[in-house]
Amino acid sequence: AQTVTQSQPEMSVQEAETVTLSCTYDTSESDYYLFWYKQPPSRQMILVIRQEAYKQQNATENRFSVNFQKAAKSFSLKISDSQLGDAAMYFCAYRSPNTNAGKSTFGDGTTLTVKP
Amino acid sequence: DTAVSQTPKYLVTQMGNDKSIKCEQNLGHDTMYWYKQDSKKFLKIMFSYNNKELIINETVPNRFSPKSPDKAHLNLHINSLELGDSAVYFCASSQGRLAKNIQYFGAGTRLSVL
Repeated sequence: AQTVTQSQPEMSVQEAETVTLSCTYDTSESDYYLFWYKQPPSRQMILVIRQEAYKQQNATENRFSVNFQKAAKSFSLKISDSQLGDAAMYFCAYRSPNTNAGKSTFGDGTTLTVKP
Repeated sequence: DTAVSQTPKYLVTQMGNDKSIKCEQNLGHDTMYWYKQDSKKFLKIMFSYNNKELIINETVPNRFSPKSPDKAHLNLHINSLELGDSAVYFCASSQGRLAKNIQYFGAGTRLSVL
């Protein structure tokens, strides 16, 4: 079974600075998908970014980018020019194309605080 | 227009009661999911339906019974509620079961069992 680990329960960043949230996972599969979700205090889970394992190029969405290291099974999220609205809990998620019809396995989450 | 909507947003009830949470999506998706987020924020899949057919059941107690009257709805009925059922329950949907397909989540239902 796949596992996802987020080793940083809490992180903080100064507004306008850059922060990196770490995520590692364990799998024996070669093809899979990785996601970062944001959960603000409103509870709504919002997709931040998606990475396909067979693509070497790191995904980027505006101020959000990932550092995907397949051999190391690492998938960190970098937030540049942090804004107050980025404050939320961030979840890393793994989805296998082979088992259990696309269910997501989530890490425990990292709470990000943005200081003005 | 909310893509995935859950009702109610908050549910407070006594132990032993039976309650239902409703979920509807207007995205035209054919796959829907229920996730449970416990007090430590740990998020875990419970069920998944594809075209009204149950495809994932993650060893959830029999007291939990999902019902999908059509592709746009996936309701969760819980019998004989226990204290440990207190959590936030999220509904999600996607087009197809493929891992690459994005899951869209509802805003969650916070269930408190007293």
